[in-house]
Amino acid sequence: AQTVTQSQPEMSVQEAETVTLSCTYDTSESNYYLFWYKQPPSRQMILVIRQEAYKQQNATENRFSVNFQKAAKSFSLKISDSQLGDTAMYFCAFMNSGGGADGLTFGKGTHLIIQP
Amino acid sequence: GAGVSQSPSNKVTEKGKDVELRCDPISGHTALYWYRQSLGQGLEFLIYFQGNSAPDKSGLPSDRFSAERTGGSVSTLTIQRTQQEDSAVYLCASSPDRAKLFFGSGTQLSVL
Repeated sequence: AQTVTQSQPEMSVQEAETVTLSCTYDTSESNYYLFWYKQPPSRQMILVIRQEAYKQQNATENRFSVNFQKAAKSFSLKISDSQLGDTAMYFCAFMNSGGGADGLTFGKGTHLIIQP
Repeated sequence: GAGVSQSPSNKVTEKGKDVELRCDPISGHTALYWYRQSLGQGLEFLIYFQGNSAPDKSGLPSDRFSAERTGGSVSTLTIQRTQQEDSAVYLCASSPDRAKLFFGSGTQLSVL
């Protein structure tokens, strides 16, 4: 079974700063997907970024980028020029390439607070 | 609608009562998932529907929990004889293919 670990329950940074959220995972699979989801107070889980394990290039989406270290099983999220609207819970998630029900595993989340 | 819709948004019930939670997935999405999110926790898988196949119920915590999906679209999660430990946010997600889940805003269930 896969496990996803987020070791930072809460982080707080000043607006415009860069922040990195940590995530490690454990799997015996070779092909899989990794995700970062954002959950604001509205409760809706919003996909921030997705990484396919077979791609060596780190995924980027505007101010969001990841540092994917496959050998170390590490998948950190970097948010540049942080904004007040980035305040939310952030969840790291894993899905094996077969998809389906047992392929999606979430970490317990990091509460990110952006201070004005 | 354009997104996954869940109703009600909030539900308060008394211990021992039955509740039904509804999920309207994005049109055309063949896969539908239910998750439970307890306070301060990540998402716990409950049940998965894929097309007309038999659902994967392996995540349901007890036989008080059941779900159905009618016509491959709308899904209802039913909790019978609710207990206080059932209090949580119940999230639904639909997917057109693997690795692309679209979530609703969830139902906050409070069992008094």
